[in-house]
Amino acid sequence: GQNIDQPTEMTATEGAIVQINCTYQTSGFNGLFWYQQHAGEAPTFLSYNVLDGLEEKGRFSSFLSRSKGYSYLLLKELQMKDSASYLCAVRDRGRDDKIIFGKGTRLHILP
Amino acid sequence: SAVISQKPSRDICQRGTSLTIQCQVDSQVTMMFWYRQQPGQSLTLIATANQGSEATYESGFVIDKFPISRPNLTFSTLTVSNMSPEDSSIYLCSVEVRGSSYEQYFGPGTRLTVT
Repeated sequence: GQNIDQPTEMTATEGAIVQINCTYQTSGFNGLFWYQQHAGEAPTFLSYNVLDGLEEKGRFSSFLSRSKGYSYLLLKELQMKDSASYLCAVRDRGRDDKIIFGKGTRLHILP
Repeated sequence: SAVISQKPSRDICQRGTSLTIQCQVDSQVTMMFWYRQQPGQSLTLIATANQGSEATYESGFVIDKFPISRPNLTFSTLTVSNMSPEDSSIYLCSVEVRGSSYEQYFGPGTRLTVT
């Protein structure tokens, strides 16, 4: 089976740092993705991890530990426009390499 | 990358009718998917649209309710048949681009309301 867990909602302050955690269980892990989705819009790709470690891309970083079935998305220097849902998604070999999405974390940024 | 368009962008339909949603991609792609996103929820995969053969449906979704066509590598349609209010949702077309990270790109979505 497959399970992807992430917090439902988080709140952070403009200029601060926030970490969104994701845990997963798959029958054949083959990559983890983070997507950003603003209200009323389609998801947009943020990051991809297939090996353990940290991938940094500007203000956003994503970390993966395959042995722990764990990832996090780190957002630095938060801006108001970062208010959005952040979706953790996993590619599963046990499901023909399809990408399966978690329920998403709604991030609220306060001024 | 890939640029995806969907038609219609939104529609309000009556119970019992059917709606066909079109998805057009600006380049040839092998993998094309249809997702549903109900209000406040994440994305649920409906099916993989296969070119030249029947779509592959996920558990809980059937061809009679959600027939899918994929006549070529740039186009697909999803029909929502015999609609009920529970079908009110956003339907998103997605394609996979196999570069360095096997990214999936999403269309803008079709917002369907069934009354």
